[in-house]
Amino acid sequence: GAVVSQHPSRVICKSGTSVKIECRSLDFQATTMFWYRQFPKQSLMLMATSNEGSKATYEQGVEKDKFLINHASLTLSTLTVTSAHPEDSSFYICSARDLGATNEKLFFGSGTQLSVL
Amino acid sequence: SQKIEQNSEALNIQEGKTATLTCNYTNYSPAYLQWYRQDPGRGPVFLLLIRENEKEKRKERLKVTFDTTLKQSLFHITASQPADSATYLCALGTNQGGKLIFGQGTELSVKP
Repeated sequence: GAVVSQHPSRVICKSGTSVKIECRSLDFQATTMFWYRQFPKQSLMLMATSNEGSKATYEQGVEKDKFLINHASLTLSTLTVTSAHPEDSSFYICSARDLGATNEKLFFGSGTQLSVL
Repeated sequence: SQKIEQNSEALNIQEGKTATLTCNYTNYSPAYLQWYRQDPGRGPVFLLLIRENEKEKRKERLKVTFDTTLKQSLFHITASQPADSATYLCALGTNQGGKLIFGQGTELSVKP
């Protein structure tokens, strides 16, 4: 099946620094990727929809200047958490849909656990 | 506002029994509903998709039902095994935009 690679799997950083998370579709093309955030024992909350070659669409309440998304190619989307603070500590997960597939299932990356000190 | 609710309590069952998980939604008219499995510290893995015009779907030991009148989906795992222990998420989607809205998940524990 299709594979989505997410990197890094875990990052610890100091408050005020920026962290970049990469999401790659390894064996398929994805014009759209989705970025989710998940707190312990809670649901995945959609942050933004990343569109190849255009601006991302952010969900209500998500600061676009805080969470920068770039989708430069059909296989790569990046999420940059700028000037990270402890409240940004969370599990971030990307997902993608196979452009050539006929159904609507999403393939998820393995997630990135961000800890801001 | 749109709301999706799954079994709020963790589900503990004995190996070999059938696990039944519930997903209810309000203020939403999904075109399809999906079930995912999530293990700790990992991303969700797709299990099954059922469309609004389908009543039931099966895949090996898994069965999903979808009742758009009750606004409810049931997810069954028959002959459950300890390896089935995980959190199971339901997700609803429409034909516009492709984004999914997830429930909070139900943690299933299968005891040997």
